[in-house]
Amino acid sequence: AQSVTQLDSQVPVFEEAPVELRCNYSSSVSVYLFWYVQYPNQGLQLLLKYLSGSTLVESINGFEAEFNKSQTSFHLRKPSVHISDTAEYFCAVSPRGGGSYIPTFGRGTSLIVHP
Amino acid sequence: GAGVSQSPRYKVTKRGQDVTLRCDPISSHATLYWYQQALGQGPEFLTYFNYEAQPDKSGLPSDRFSAERPEGSISTLTIQRTEQRDSAMYRCASTPGGGPTGELFFGEGSRLTVL
Repeated sequence: AQSVTQLDSQVPVFEEAPVELRCNYSSSVSVYLFWYVQYPNQGLQLLLKYLSGSTLVESINGFEAEFNKSQTSFHLRKPSVHISDTAEYFCAVSPRGGGSYIPTFGRGTSLIVHP
Repeated sequence: GAGVSQSPRYKVTKRGQDVTLRCDPISSHATLYWYQQALGQGPEFLTYFNYEAQPDKSGLPSDRFSAERPEGSISTLTIQRTEQRDSAMYRCASTPGGGPTGELFFGEGSRLTVL
């Protein structure tokens, strides 16, 4: 079984400031890692993912996350946020192999960007 | 369809009534997931389908909950004898299947309120 911990339920930040949203996971097997974003009144959509290879992955809108196996973390970062980044962010993991890739989600972190 | 479509978007019902929620996934997507998301929490897995087969329904909270996907496309989630604790956002997602492509495509969700 897997579990995902997002310690921060809400992160307020000023526009153009850097931000880090924390994600830690627990699993008895190797996992794939994901960040999803939910803008107001929309469904969740994939922001970025780590399946294999380089442990640093990037999104098209400037976010990046680094898989740290020893710390079982997959923190999401952005060096300079915009108002439009205000949204709910969900970290998720799914087990490698076994034929069932059911993602387990964290409780979410609400990023609030102030002008 | 072009995206995952869920209906109704909002449903208010009285305790004890039955409700059925519908999900129309992206056409040709083999795998369909149902999640339940309580206020302030992340999505919790309910069940999933590979075409019409339902390999895992371990997340269904009680036997009042059932889901089907008889022709391998549209799916319904039925909650019988609703209770106030069933109030939540119900999210449907689909993927092409065949392994962890990494991306679940979510609908906008159905918000259920049980009075």
